[in-house]
Amino acid sequence: EAQVTQNPRYLITVTGKKLTVTCSQNMNHEYMSWYRQDPGLGLRQIYYSMNVEVTDKGDVPEGYKVSRKEKRNFPLILESPSPNQTSLYFCASRGPSTDTQYFGPGTRLTVL
Amino acid sequence: AQSVTQPDIHITVSEGASLELRCNYSYGATPYLFWYVQSPGQGLQLLLKYFSGDTLVQGIKGFEAEFKRSQSSFNLRKPSVHWSDAAEYFCAVDQFEGRGSTLGRLYFGRGTQLTVWP
Repeated sequence: EAQVTQNPRYLITVTGKKLTVTCSQNMNHEYMSWYRQDPGLGLRQIYYSMNVEVTDKGDVPEGYKVSRKEKRNFPLILESPSPNQTSLYFCASRGPSTDTQYFGPGTRLTVL
Repeated sequence: AQSVTQPDIHITVSEGASLELRCNYSYGATPYLFWYVQSPGQGLQLLLKYFSGDTLVQGIKGFEAEFKRSQSSFNLRKPSVHWSDAAEYFCAVDQFEGRGSTLGRLYFGRGTQLTVWP
């Protein structure tokens, strides 16, 4: 089954404790993205990657890092999480021959 | 940069009534347009999409949307709403400039929360 998976689905952590949210897709897609969703703001893109070792900032990249060492994986790294990064995070992927982004199930992060 | 406006933050309709959710975008050329739905506690589900051709597109769950270039709009409609349609709806725009450019960047509106009265 074609899918995008994220782990963990729920995470509660404390300020300053580094964390990684993993994202993996099994569709051999080149393009992957991270979004955060906040009430009243919709979804905003954090980072995106057009291929292995090619990443670029989205609209709200501050406080986040990404890496794309393998085509299927696109982890989101919070080196020093802060409470304003409490949000719902979605990973998405899309292939060059498809016209639709596939979204993961979301990761709800709470930073205390 | 693109922008997507959903003017209605919250809409309430009675079950069986018709529905129209508004979406306006700013972009010079014709973008790729999408509507997504998010049920409470769930992820995003694609309702429908428009790239070119017929400006009236049909989607899942009985939804349709009409692209109007002159108004830069892509409004979502449903003739008869069901209680299960209660959810948050997002309009999104993809700035497609060909392979290797910004393909994959979706710009979302802020969402419209739909409440359905029985």
